[in-house]
Amino acid sequence: EPEVTQTPSHQVTQMGQEVILRCVPISNHLYFYWYRQILGQKVEFLVSFYNNEISEKSEIFDDQFSVERPDGSNFTLKIRSTKLEDSAMYFCASSPDLGYTFGSGTRLTVV
Amino acid sequence: DQQVKQNSPSLSVQEGRISILNCDYTNSMFDYFLWYKKYPAEGPTFLISISSIKDKNEDGRFTVFLNKSAKHLSLHIVPSQPGDSAVYFCAASRYNQGGKLIFGQGTELSVKP
Repeated sequence: EPEVTQTPSHQVTQMGQEVILRCVPISNHLYFYWYRQILGQKVEFLVSFYNNEISEKSEIFDDQFSVERPDGSNFTLKIRSTKLEDSAMYFCASSPDLGYTFGSGTRLTVV
Repeated sequence: DQQVKQNSPSLSVQEGRISILNCDYTNSMFDYFLWYKKYPAEGPTFLISISSIKDKNEDGRFTVFLNKSAKHLSLHIVPSQPGDSAVYFCAASRYNQGGKLIFGQGTELSVKP
């Protein structure tokens, strides 16, 4: 069964450093998303991406965040200058239209 | 702004019995609802969905009921199995917004043998 692949599974970074979280969506999907879940809280929408541009972003997705689809397969989330409160599980998802497939997540720990 | 709420943080059920997980929403513009199951350190796994034009959708042991007038949906699992133990999230979407999902806080289901 096709799956969404995320790397790394766990990333530890120092506050103020840049991190790039990587995702390989399902190949024939058109919509791509990033969500995050801070420990003990709900899963929150960050950004959606369609046709090589951001289609919607949340209040969380400020200037420190950016997304790219640098080639035909990867979809990345960059956090330019990490803060302690960015520590969370970050989930990538892709969708053909309705119905998502989520990746298993990257646990980001900012120290 | 909690547009999607799951008011029960946890639920414990005996194996073989019915599990009923509840979800309420406030935005009447939502027209697509989904249930996801999540294990620790894994991403949410899609379980079942329902469009706002329906009031029931069934898939094996899982049935989702939608009451639009009450802005309430529920997931029934019958019979419950120990492997169903996980956190269950309901999510809602406005289809015409490209599918952004608004999640509830989750309900941790524990099915005891």
